[in-house]
Amino acid sequence: GIQVEQSPPDLILQEGANSTLRCNFSDSVNNLQWFHQNPWGQLINLFYIPSGTKQNGRLSATTVATERYSLLYISSSQTTDSGVYFCAVVYAGNNRKLIWGLGTSLAVNP
Amino acid sequence: KAGVTQTPRYLIKTRGQQVTLSCSPISGHRSVSWYQQTPGQGLQFLFEYFSETQRNKGNFPGRFSGRQFSNSRSEMNVSTLELGDSALYLCASSLDLGGQAFFGQGTRLTVV
Repeated sequence: GIQVEQSPPDLILQEGANSTLRCNFSDSVNNLQWFHQNPWGQLINLFYIPSGTKQNGRLSATTVATERYSLLYISSSQTTDSGVYFCAVVYAGNNRKLIWGLGTSLAVNP
Repeated sequence: KAGVTQTPRYLIKTRGQQVTLSCSPISGHRSVSWYQQTPGQGLQFLFEYFSETQRNKGNFPGRFSGRQFSNSRSEMNVSTLELGDSALYLCASSLDLGGQAFFGQGTRLTVV
């Protein structure tokens, strides 16, 4: 089946720094979503981005479907950005199930 | 509009008991998925329902079951609880299968 790999697995930043998280996938996908899970377990959908670039405040995402990767950019990081960032894809097959990466754990220090 | 609502938020059960968790999706959403997350782990897919039918299923034993009602609300049941079932159970809803997923706050289940 399709594989979803996220890098780096862990990241530590100082407040105000920028970062780039990567999601690689091994086959064609219908869509790709980025999520943030805060330290209390709440999962927030950040982007629904099958292709192209989207921006939401300090966050932006780019998916290059033909090259099978997506990038999540975090600028001017804040302590509230801490948590785990997950990438999930829907395989361009029949079952339309979300396939998840293992996540990038981000800690932003004040 | 209201988000995805999961009840209860916290639950403590004893080994061998059974438990039922509830998920009310966003109004108009017809797909509901369930996930299990243990500390430090990613999301393990349990099952997905659409229009009252189970459309996808993960690799969990038969003790884990679910259903979806005509109003799209979903329940999952775990029978004969084991200590290893202690986890955060998350529910997500989307308009359609594989659509943009929105999560509830989860139910933290502790089995003692």
